Amino acid sequence: GENVEQHPSTLSVQEGDSAVIKCTYSDSASNYFPWYKQELGKGPQLIIDIRSNVGEKKDQRIAVTLNKTAKHFSLHITETQPEDSAVYFCAASIGGNEKLTFGTGTRLTIIP
Amino acid sequence: ETGVTQTPRHLVMGMTNKKSLKCEQHLGHNAMYWYKQSAKKPLELMFVYSLEERVENNSVPSRFSPECPNSSHLFLHLHTLQPEDSALYLCASSKEGGPRYGYTFGSGTRLTVV
Repeated sequence: GENVEQHPSTLSVQEGDSAVIKCTYSDSASNYFPWYKQELGKGPQLIIDIRSNVGEKKDQRIAVTLNKTAKHFSLHITETQPEDSAVYFCAASIGGNEKLTFGTGTRLTIIP
Repeated sequence: ETGVTQTPRHLVMGMTNKKSLKCEQHLGHNAMYWYKQSAKKPLELMFVYSLEERVENNSVPSRFSPECPNSSHLFLHLHTLQPEDSALYLCASSKEGGPRYGYTFGSGTRLTVV
């Protein structure tokens, strides 16, 4: 089955700096890669996703890149703000399949 | 609120108790999921229901019993749990076809087994 690895497990950055979280996946058939943000006391919420026919996608301060050959994808957050502090999860799935395989999460702390 | 509501938010139960977790969505989704979230582990998919039929059971012990009476409601019935079952239990829903179609999580039930 699919295996998703995520690094780093914790990340602290100064407010205003950029943060990068990286994930690798094992199943080359995976073609959908969402990122979730989980704040304290809440469930994960989708913040951005990318499909395998696209190499990069951007939404304001958040961007995701995908390298299908290397089977890795990354989340980039620019101009970080205190409200970006949360746990971020990457995930992968195969089209038409209900199963979503998650990484272990990255706890991001923004230092004011 | 995300549109997926889980109750209760917190639950403490003894190992001999029987309790149920409830999940409700009114997003028009027809697939529902139970996940277990433990510290320092990936989210573990437990059960998947699509069009009210169970389509996946990831080797979950029989002390966890799901029920999906209709496309808007999902239950997880618990009995004779172990302390290692303490975790955050998350419900999610999506349109038929999987996560790329509006996958939405509830806020979870924090379960403590004593």
